[in-house]
Amino acid sequence: AQKVTQAQTEISVVEKEDVTLDCVYETRDTTYYLFWYKQPPSGELVFLIRRNSFDEQNEISGRYSWNFQKSTSSFNFTITASQVVDSAVYFCALTQAGTALIFGKGTTLSVSS
Amino acid sequence: SQTIHQWPATLVQPVGSPLSLECTVEGTSNPNLYWYRQAAGRGLQLLFYSVGIGQISSEVPQNLSASRPQDRQFILSSKKLLLSDSGFYLCAWSVGRTRDYGYTFGSGTRLTVV
Repeated sequence: AQKVTQAQTEISVVEKEDVTLDCVYETRDTTYYLFWYKQPPSGELVFLIRRNSFDEQNEISGRYSWNFQKSTSSFNFTITASQVVDSAVYFCALTQAGTALIFGKGTTLSVSS
Repeated sequence: SQTIHQWPATLVQPVGSPLSLECTVEGTSNPNLYWYRQAAGRGLQLLFYSVGIGQISSEVPQNLSASRPQDRQFILSSKKLLLSDSGFYLCAWSVGRTRDYGYTFGSGTRLTVV
C-alpha cells in the first residue's frame, strides 16, 4: 500500500524566515513519482515539482528547494526567505505505475509580515 | 495548450437534492480524468478516475457517481445529497499510460449542502 504523511498540520513563520515542510512516503514499488502542489486561498492546485524514484538529485528553483532521500523515504520542501505570498496549503503526493495520485493531508503555511 | 474547465465555482444545495458537476478538458485527447474531494481542513481524497469513455473506477463507496459520456467530459453526480457531501471538488486530468506525469487541476467547485 502507498501512503503519504505530512506530520506538520500548520506552520507559522515571519517573513524572511526559512521554512521546511516535511513529507514521508510509503510504497513497495521501486518506480514511483513524488510531487509537491501549492493550494493558495483561491483553492486551485498549482504544480510545483515532480521527482521520479531514480533521481535523488536535489533541486533548487529560486527560493524553493527539494531534498529527496530514499534512505529515509522523505521528500522535504524548503522555502528560503519566505514571503507573505507563500502562505498556502502545501501538499505532497505520490503515484506509482497503475495507481492514481495519492495526497498527504497537507501543511498550512502562514507567513506574516 | 491544454485547459481544464470546471463549473460551477460555488454551489449551495439542500439535503436530498440532486447534484451534477461538470468538467471538460481542451487541447488533449484521451486524457485520464479524476474527481477529488477536499473536506474542510482535510486532505484530498480520490473519488473516481476514468481512463476512457464509459470507464469509471470508484475509490470510495458513497452516494456519488461519475460518468464520462465523451472523451473530454467528466461528470460527478448524486441523486440525493447528504450533509457530508459538502466540500471542495476538484477535477484533474493527466496523460500517459502509467499516469505518472502529474496532474493538472481545475479551479474547483465549492459545494455546501444545507
